[in-house]
Amino acid sequence: AQKITQTQPGMFVQEKEAVTLDCTYDTSDQSYGLFWYKQPSSGEMIFLIYQGSYDEQNATEGRYSLNFQKARKSANLVISASQLGDSAMYFCAMREGINRDDKIIFGKGTRLHILP
Amino acid sequence: DGGITQSPKYLFRKEGQNVTLSCEQNLNHDAMYWYRQDPGQGLRLIYYSQIVNDFQKGDIAEGYSVSREKKESFPLTVTSAQKNPTAFYLCASSMGTGGDYGYTFGSGTRLTVV
Repeated sequence: AQKITQTQPGMFVQEKEAVTLDCTYDTSDQSYGLFWYKQPSSGEMIFLIYQGSYDEQNATEGRYSLNFQKARKSANLVISASQLGDSAMYFCAMREGINRDDKIIFGKGTRLHILP
Repeated sequence: DGGITQSPKYLFRKEGQNVTLSCEQNLNHDAMYWYRQDPGQGLRLIYYSQIVNDFQKGDIAEGYSVSREKKESFPLTVTSAQKNPTAFYLCASSMGTGGDYGYTFGSGTRLTVV
């Protein structure tokens, strides 16, 4: 079974609109971390945001916020006021356990296209 | 500036050849990782190493080998046993302490079998 599920292979959004990228995860651990990464066409992976399983508040980083619904095992990324430069692949990822050196598991990604 | 350097950026391999992908970091990170990325497949873990002279297999280790003789270096060898090696390979490292930012990634190596 997949640990990380991203159900939207591709999305098209008008510039300046908000966009939500879906992510659900599967774990039996009580301690885990959730991440979102952006991959532009250059191939580099860029860290966007992190949410710990015990964090009570949703994480925010500038225009990025993570809508964390623990009971539903959902960790959607919300990008406010989208820009043309947001066009990229976006990966949701999870690390199980508390050791920060443990491996991270990635979803298959969502390709986001921002339309002018 | 600190970071992860992967080389080469593009690599072409003939069938039956072994090739080695380089990954060097100057971040003083303890843990290093190799991922493979295929179109529509996301990132899949090949090998990872949490300390020098020790490493563990990931989900798709068959046909690959690694070494970790120095903290800064984690080279990946794609052997002739890997039947479908054409892919984008990403190396990453993690600090293990401090703020949790997940991994720092290199810029990747694109391997093509010719």
